[in-house]
Amino acid sequence: AQSVTQLGSHVSVSEGALVLLRCNYSSSVPPYLFWYVQYPNQGLQLLLKYTTGATLVKGINGFEAEFKKSETSFHLTKPSAHMSDAAEYFCAVTDTGRRALTFGSGTRLQVQP
Amino acid sequence: DAGVIQSPRHEVTEMGQEVTLRCKPISGHDYLFWYRQTMMRGLELLIYFNNNVPIDDSGMPEDRFSAKMPNASFSTLKIQPSEPRDSAVYFCASSLGNSPLHFGNGTRLTVT
Repeated sequence: AQSVTQLGSHVSVSEGALVLLRCNYSSSVPPYLFWYVQYPNQGLQLLLKYTTGATLVKGINGFEAEFKKSETSFHLTKPSAHMSDAAEYFCAVTDTGRRALTFGSGTRLQVQP
Repeated sequence: DAGVIQSPRHEVTEMGQEVTLRCKPISGHDYLFWYRQTMMRGLELLIYFNNNVPIDDSGMPEDRFSAKMPNASFSTLKIQPSEPRDSAVYFCASSLGNSPLHFGNGTRLTVT
């Protein structure tokens, strides 16, 4: 069975600081990995995805993530946090045999002025 | 592109009542998913359809829950009878083939 573990339910950073949100996956087959963002009272929006190919994936709003098979990780980073980045972030996994996503428990990002 | 449309946005009902949540997927998408989000359990897949046919309903909590997709542009999730523990935000999402899921804004259900 596939699963993802997000370390840290809450992360707080200062505006302009590096954002690092951690995600580790468990999958018996090559995974497809995703990061979604959820703003209050809204649905989830896709930030970026990894399927095959380049392991460093760039997404929207300056976010990127690196697929590291040796570490079974797919951490999300942004060099400089902005107040508008405050939201909840979800890592998700699937594979070629299954269309539905399995989500992590989420990490709430706070950005302090 | 209007996105995935869910209705109602909020639903408050009393225990024992029937609740129907509605979803209109993005036109042309062939997959439709129902997820439930709670503080305790996070985002859980309830059921998903491909070309209007249910593929995996193993996440449906119990017989009180049912989902239908009578055509490519409409799906319902019904709870009968509703219970307080069903209180959650229910999300519908759709996708085309291997493309990422597009989510609606959810229905916040409160059962008193």
